[in-house]
Amino acid sequence: DAMVIQNPRYQVTQFGKPVTLSCSQTLNHNVMYWYQQKSSQAPKLLFHYYDKDFNNEADTPDNFQSRRPNTSFCFLDIRSPGLGDAAMYLCATSRGGSAGTDTQYFGPGTRLTVL
Amino acid sequence: AQKVTQAQTEISVVEKEDVTLDCVYETRDTTYYLFWYKQPPSGELVFLIRRNSFDEQNEISGRYSWNFQKSTSSFNFTITASQVVDSAVYFCALSEMETSGSRLTFGEGTQLTVNP
Repeated sequence: DAMVIQNPRYQVTQFGKPVTLSCSQTLNHNVMYWYQQKSSQAPKLLFHYYDKDFNNEADTPDNFQSRRPNTSFCFLDIRSPGLGDAAMYLCATSRGGSAGTDTQYFGPGTRLTVL
Repeated sequence: AQKVTQAQTEISVVEKEDVTLDCVYETRDTTYYLFWYKQPPSGELVFLIRRNSFDEQNEISGRYSWNFQKSTSSFNFTITASQVVDSAVYFCALSEMETSGSRLTFGEGTQLTVNP
């Protein structure tokens, strides 16, 4: 089945220790998104890639970076995690075609704990 | 600016009851898309429906139905004969269409608990 995969599902890191979250997709979608979701809140878009074009949200902290080495994979790097970065991180993909077809499909998420 | 409001933070029902989740949106766009997603305790956001602004027909899918009313900027979601497995957080979202993909504006979500 075509899907969005996130690894690991649970990640524990130490305050200030860099961490990388991974997302892969078998949908062959052009667009990949990263969201941060804190407890009892709506997902918040951090950035997205349309193919290789990176689109950062204006309020995304510099501490968050992303890489997309190929169509299938996208990584979220947190350079120096703080306690406030503990959250669920959701990856999503969409075809990126004409407006009416662009539905985002989400992966299962990675829950990040910062000690 | 776009905005989605889900006024019901939490709803609790007993199994087999019908339940309606409200969603009200604001946008200046004439073309837009509305979505509902389900987020069970496992965390994954599951796509339920997409509706474009030109199609005001209501939709039914099994026990789920959606009522889109452009005049009141509402896109409500009804679950008929609710089941325990329907317990989840439900998000309504509005899409801002861009050439580089879509940007979703989410509501704050409604936590639905269905008790046996």
